[in-house]
Amino acid sequence: EAQVTQNPRYLITVTGKKLTVTCSQNMNHEYMSWYRQDPGLGLRQIYYSMNVEVTDKGDVPEGYKVSRKEKRNFPLILESPSPNQTSLYFCASSFRGPTSGNEKLFFGSGTQLSVL
Amino acid sequence: GDSVTQMEGPVTLSEEAFLTINCTYTATGYPSLFWYVQYPGEGLQLLLKATKADDKGSNKGFEATYRKETTSFHLEKGSVQVSDSAVYFCALSDRGGSYIPTFGRGTSLIVHP
Repeated sequence: EAQVTQNPRYLITVTGKKLTVTCSQNMNHEYMSWYRQDPGLGLRQIYYSMNVEVTDKGDVPEGYKVSRKEKRNFPLILESPSPNQTSLYFCASSFRGPTSGNEKLFFGSGTQLSVL
Repeated sequence: GDSVTQMEGPVTLSEEAFLTINCTYTATGYPSLFWYVQYPGEGLQLLLKATKADDKGSNKGFEATYRKETTSFHLEKGSVQVSDSAVYFCALSDRGGSYIPTFGRGTSLIVHP
């Protein structure tokens, strides 16, 4: 089954404790991205990747890191989490990315992060 | 820059009522337009799309027409069901520009039996 898998589904941590949220897709997609969803703000893109070893900032990259060492995986790293990073996070992928004009995004089920 | 504006929610309807969720956009290039739906506890999934002016996207009884003259892509359904209760996001991808798709803030729909 074609899917985007995120883990964990729920995560509670404390300020400053490094964490990683994993994302994997099995569709051989070139484009992957991370979003955060906050009430009243909708979805905002954090980082995206056009292919292996190619990553770039989205709208809200501060406090986050990503890597794309393999095509299928795109982990999101919070080196020193803070309470303002409490949010619902989504990973998404598509075959070639939004500049092709009609690329459908496939989303994971989300990771609810709480930073105390 | 590109932007998408959706009507504020929640929209509350009775089953079998007519639904309209308004969406307008601004874009510098030649956008494709999308509606995504997010059911409770799940990620977003594509509902329908339109890639050029006057195209109509449709799926599961939902429709939206790409109106370049009014820069709009309103979502409609003739008879909603309880199972349509979800959050709906309007979005655009600008083929002439950014690698970053732009999403609206989402509109929550609640359908009562």
